[in-house]
Amino acid sequence: DQQVKQNSPSLSVQEGRISILNCDYTNSMFDYFLWYKKYPAEGPTFLISISSIKDKNEDGRFTVFLNKSAKHLSLHIVPSQPGDSAVYFCAVMNRDDKIIFGKGTRLHILP
Amino acid sequence: ETGVTQSPTHLIKTRGQQVTLRCSSQSGHNTVSWYQQALGQGPQFIFQYYREEENGRGNFPPRFSGLQFPNYSSELNVNALELDDSALYLCASSLASGVADTQYFGPGTRLTVL
Repeated sequence: DQQVKQNSPSLSVQEGRISILNCDYTNSMFDYFLWYKKYPAEGPTFLISISSIKDKNEDGRFTVFLNKSAKHLSLHIVPSQPGDSAVYFCAVMNRDDKIIFGKGTRLHILP
Repeated sequence: ETGVTQSPTHLIKTRGQQVTLRCSSQSGHNTVSWYQQALGQGPQFIFQYYREEENGRGNFPPRFSGLQFPNYSSELNVNALELDDSALYLCASSLASGVADTQYFGPGTRLTVL
């Protein structure tokens, strides 16, 4: 059973608008959450993270929001740029310090 | 570029064969993790090595094994290949275990089992 769920396989957003990628998790004991970005023919690269003691973390155009009661997190990218077109993976770190990834959401930024 | 390299980039094997995939970590990184990414899925944790010892394992059978060497390189070995082993295999290196946001991934090896 999937512990990290990204229910949207793909998302298209106009350049300059906000991109919102969503992620749900099943285990309330998870306490560290991450987003990775992956271009074709490259490995995933770390984008932004958030600890369960916070509900928001911002880094430039990227903001991650955490709603612990709903076991939900989201990644906001604003403004969206063409170079943001990639696959985005939501991930959690479990108690054994191992990363569990979601299936990913492919983001297309439209000109 | 992360400084993590993997070889080969692509590989085709037949069912029942054995395969060895290689990873060269960033210099100084003493932790390496291996992941399997099947088509349409996220990376799944196979195992992690820290200072040449296995340091955690995911839900993979014993025919998946690994080695880590003092020169920051590592291997993933898969015996008795099955069709479902077809996937992208990623390695990721880091300075220490438990630091997910400083894991550096290589570009992966795409394995096809016929």
